[in-house]
Amino acid sequence: GENVEQHPSTLSVQEGDSAVIKCTYSDSASNYFPWYKQELGKRPQLIIDIRSNVGEKKDQRIAVTLNKTAKHFSLHITETQPEDSAVYFCAANPAGGTSYGKLTFGQGTILTVHP
Amino acid sequence: KAGVTQTPRYLIKTRGQQVTLSCSPISGHRSVSWYQQTPGQGLQFLFEYFSETQRNKGNFPGRFSGRQFSNSRSEMNVSTLELGDSALYLCASSLGSVEQYFGPGTRLTVT
Repeated sequence: GENVEQHPSTLSVQEGDSAVIKCTYSDSASNYFPWYKQELGKRPQLIIDIRSNVGEKKDQRIAVTLNKTAKHFSLHITETQPEDSAVYFCAANPAGGTSYGKLTFGQGTILTVHP
Repeated sequence: KAGVTQTPRYLIKTRGQQVTLSCSPISGHRSVSWYQQTPGQGLQFLFEYFSETQRNKGNFPGRFSGRQFSNSRSEMNVSTLELGDSALYLCASSLGSVEQYFGPGTRLTVT
């Protein structure tokens, strides 16, 4: 089955710096890659996603890039703020359109933004 | 629109008991997926229901089961609870495509 590896497991940055989290996946049929932010005690929140027919997607300070050949995708947060501190999860939807509701998640990255 | 809701939010059960958790999806969403979240294993897919049919199943023992009703509300059941079943159980709803929106979860503690 699909396997998603996420790095780093922890990331500490100063306010205003950029943060990059990387994920690799194993199933070449995966075609949907969401990112979730989970604050302590809260539900995972979908912050951005990308489909395999797109190489890059931006939403204000957040961007995601996808390299299907290398089977990796990355989350980029610019101008980080203390409220960006949370656990970030990447995920992949394996086997393309036949596994709609199944997401395989990475292990998560604890991002800490120091004021 | 109201978000995904889950009840109860917290549960304490004893080994060997069974438990039923409930999930109400966003209005109009027909797909409900269930995940188990633990510090050691992270987020793991349990199963997904669409229009009352189980469409996908993860690698969990048969003690974990679920169902979906005609109004898209879903329940999951865990029988013969084990200590290792202590976790945050999250459900997520989707309109039918892939974007999934999570509920607040049910924190299950097995003693």
